[in-house]
This record gives sequence, structure tokens and C-alpha cells, in this order.
Amino acid sequence: AQSVTQPDIHITVSEGASLELRCNYSYGATPYLFWYVQSPGQGLQLLLKYFSGDTLVQGIKGFEAEFKRSQSSFNLRKPSVHWSDAAEYFCAVMGGGSYIPTFGRGTSLIVHP
Amino acid sequence: GAVVSQHPSRVICKSGTSVKIECRSLDFQATTMFWYRQFPKQSLMLMATSNEGSKATYEQGVEKDKFLINHASLTLSTLTVTSAHPEDSSFYICSARGGTSEYNEQFFGPGTRLTVL
Repeated sequence: AQSVTQPDIHITVSEGASLELRCNYSYGATPYLFWYVQSPGQGLQLLLKYFSGDTLVQGIKGFEAEFKRSQSSFNLRKPSVHWSDAAEYFCAVMGGGSYIPTFGRGTSLIVHP
Repeated sequence: GAVVSQHPSRVICKSGTSVKIECRSLDFQATTMFWYRQFPKQSLMLMATSNEGSKATYEQGVEKDKFLINHASLTLSTLTVTSAHPEDSSFYICSARGGTSEYNEQFFGPGTRLTVL
């Protein structure tokens, strides 16, 4: 069965600084990978996804993520964080005949002015 | 992207009563809908998957007689928490997927905060 680990519960950055949120997955074959963002009291919005092809994926709101098979990672990055990026971020993996994503526990992003 | 709504956004009820939560896909036909439960500072836990016109498939450990799911149309699914107790208090999120491909994007509703007194 697939699983996802987001090792950081909280990440604090200053506005304008760069950001990297970590995600490691466990799955035997090539997984389908996702990053979602959840604002307080809201549902989840898809930021980007990786199914195949170019391992560097561009998403909405200036986010990107890189699939690294050798490290079983799919880290989310943004070169310059805005205060409105403060939210909960979830990494998810799908595969193995299951077409339902398995979510990590989430990383809370705090942005200081 | 497509829009999924949930109603109500918040509900407070007394222990022993039943609560119904609606999930609607506003601008697309949802062939599959999903219900999740989210505890504070934790991930989403899938409760059940439902296809329009079929019985829901519940995840292991989820009581189907307690969490009744109905997906009667391509735009509406309901979750009824029967005989609710304080331990059922949680944030419930639905999502919907259209089309016939399992790789189609899931669109999430804004969630419903249930508090059982």
C-alpha cells in the first residue's frame, strides 16, 4: 500500500523568502503525486500533480515540485512566498490500482511579514 | 476549476440526533463522490466512495449504519450521521470527480464542521 510522509508539521518563513515543503512517499512503482493547499475552514485546492514525463512540475500560484525517484521525494517549492500563501499543505500519492489519493498529515505554513 | 459546495458549513447538534450534510457539484456531473473526515491538525481520512446510483463503498473501520451515504443524482450526495455522539464531532469534507477516468481531478468542497454536544 502506498503512504506519504510529510516530516515537517510547521514551517515558518518570512514574506519574500523561498520555500520548500518536503514530501516522501512509499510505493513500489511510479506513483501519481499531488500537492494540495487548504486555507482555514476551506476544502482542498489542487496546486499541481505529477503523472509522468518531466520531473519538474509547474503549478498554480507560482508553485513547482520536483519528482525524484532516487529519493522517493516530491518536494514543493516557491521562490518567493507571499503572506496569502499561509495555509495547510498536503502531499498525496495514488497508485497500485487504487485511484484514490492517500494524503500525508499536512504541513502548516506560517508566513511572517 | 469546477465547484463543489457543502451545506451546512457548520452544524451543532445534541447527542442522539441525526445530521445530514449535502455535497453538490455545481457545474459538472460527479460520477464519483468521496467523503472524508479530518481531525484537527491531521490528514484527511477517507470514509467512503460512492458512485451515482450505487451503494457506497466504505473504508475499513467506518460504520456504514452510522454514516449513511446517498448518491442519488450526478450532482448530489448526502452524508447522514445517525445518532450522533460527541466523538463524531469533526470536519467532514466531500469531493467529487467527473467523467469516466479515475485520473480525472477530484474537486473538494469547503467542508462541514460538526459539533455534537
